[in-house]
Amino acid sequence: QVQLQESGPALVKTSETLSLSCSVSGGSVRSGYFYWSWFRQPPGRTLEFIGSVSVNGNTNYSPSLRSRVTISLDTTQTLFSLRLTSATTADTAVYYCARQRGDTFGSYPDYWGQGTLVTVFS
Amino acid sequence: EIVVTQSPATLSVSPGGSATLSCRTTQFISRALAWYQHRTGQAPRLLIYAADTRAAGVPPRFSGSGSGTAFTLSISNLQPDDFGVYFCLQYEKYFPSTFGQGTKLEIK
Repeated sequence: QVQLQESGPALVKTSETLSLSCSVSGGSVRSGYFYWSWFRQPPGRTLEFIGSVSVNGNTNYSPSLRSRVTISLDTTQTLFSLRLTSATTADTAVYYCARQRGDTFGSYPDYWGQGTLVTVFS
Repeated sequence: EIVVTQSPATLSVSPGGSATLSCRTTQFISRALAWYQHRTGQAPRLLIYAADTRAAGVPPRFSGSGSGTAFTLSISNLQPDDFGVYFCLQYEKYFPSTFGQGTKLEIK
């Protein structure tokens, strides 16, 4: 059973960098079949895609966040990470990591972490 | 951006009963739709992908249908563990993925 677990600071000051890690167990991050992704859900709003990374280093970022986000994969430690620079209070959200798999139509998460609340304060 | 609208926002059903949840998209997405169950404090769980394919380990009480812009998740013989929030995701490959706002399924 694949399990993912987010970790990182719960509080981030505005203008600083929000950094989270996602530890993967029960499966290999080295598989070329999957993308490793981050999502978030601000309070009272819908889930949104942040970005994803594959084992060969290909990344795909949300256009609205592309200028501030970096997602990287560490195959030696079976984890992947999110960095979001210049944080603002609008970045306050529950952040989820997930494994994405593809089919004929596109790609979707099949396993998720439980999520971690990050609050950005001024 | 493809907007995804779920209805109803809240659905109250008695254990043993049935529930029908709806998801509509503003553009044609063929069958690029997934359904998830999310219980508080737990990781979201994939139920259905490609509109009508059950994920591994999901009981046949859960069924998905639809294509194009209108989709349905049906749950029969509701069990106590079935109550929670259900959300859909459109993942059509030529557009950014977008989520519905969720339907809260509660015990009547």
